[in-house]
Amino acid sequence: GEDVEQSLFLSVREGDSSVINCTYTDSSSTYLYWYKQEPGAGLQLLTYIFSNMDMKQDQRLTVLLNKKDKHLSLRIADTQTGDSAIYFCAESTGNNNDMRFGAGTRLTVKP
Amino acid sequence: EAGVAQSPRYKIIEKRQSVAFWCNPISGHATLYWYQQILGQGPKLLIQFQNNGVVDDSQLPKDRFSAERLKGVDSTLKIQPAKLEDSAVYLCASSLAIGRTYEQYFGPGTRLTVT
Repeated sequence: GEDVEQSLFLSVREGDSSVINCTYTDSSSTYLYWYKQEPGAGLQLLTYIFSNMDMKQDQRLTVLLNKKDKHLSLRIADTQTGDSAIYFCAESTGNNNDMRFGAGTRLTVKP
Repeated sequence: EAGVAQSPRYKIIEKRQSVAFWCNPISGHATLYWYQQILGQGPKLLIQFQNNGVVDDSQLPKDRFSAERLKGVDSTLKIQPAKLEDSAVYLCASSLAIGRTYEQYFGPGTRLTVT
């Protein structure tokens, strides 16, 4: 099947920028997503990007998409301790836009 | 606006027992999804409903898992009999319509432990 891969861990200092990377294999992906999951909570959609876009910015979040390399990244500016969570990359395709998730990147923000 | 509700939040059962999970989607959302999230992995879609009809259940282990959404609103997911490898968080999500995955909202999940 098609895969979505992410590094498992990232640690940054408060105030620094965080960059979480993701690669995917399905060249027909329609949408790509970033979700945040805090302990004991469900998934919260942070942002998504349509496959014909290169970049999307939303306040502290910047998403970059390199469709040629099938690489997606999420940059969090001025990272805060409240940003500590697991971040999931996901992609969807097809009429139903069925989603496939990566295994998640655990972001730890140190004071 | 109320979010997606799920119950119970936690369940511990022994293998070979049965268990059922309940989901109430956001009002007006026609599409409902059940995901299985095993520890250390991303969610995996089990089944997708559009109103009370099944759109995709290709990943549902039908020998032991069943799901229904009789009136096109609430849904139940059942496991009978449970195996150790079914230990996971079961997430329910909903969206306004099929294909609008970018507007998919998740519930808090039910954490199942099979001993």
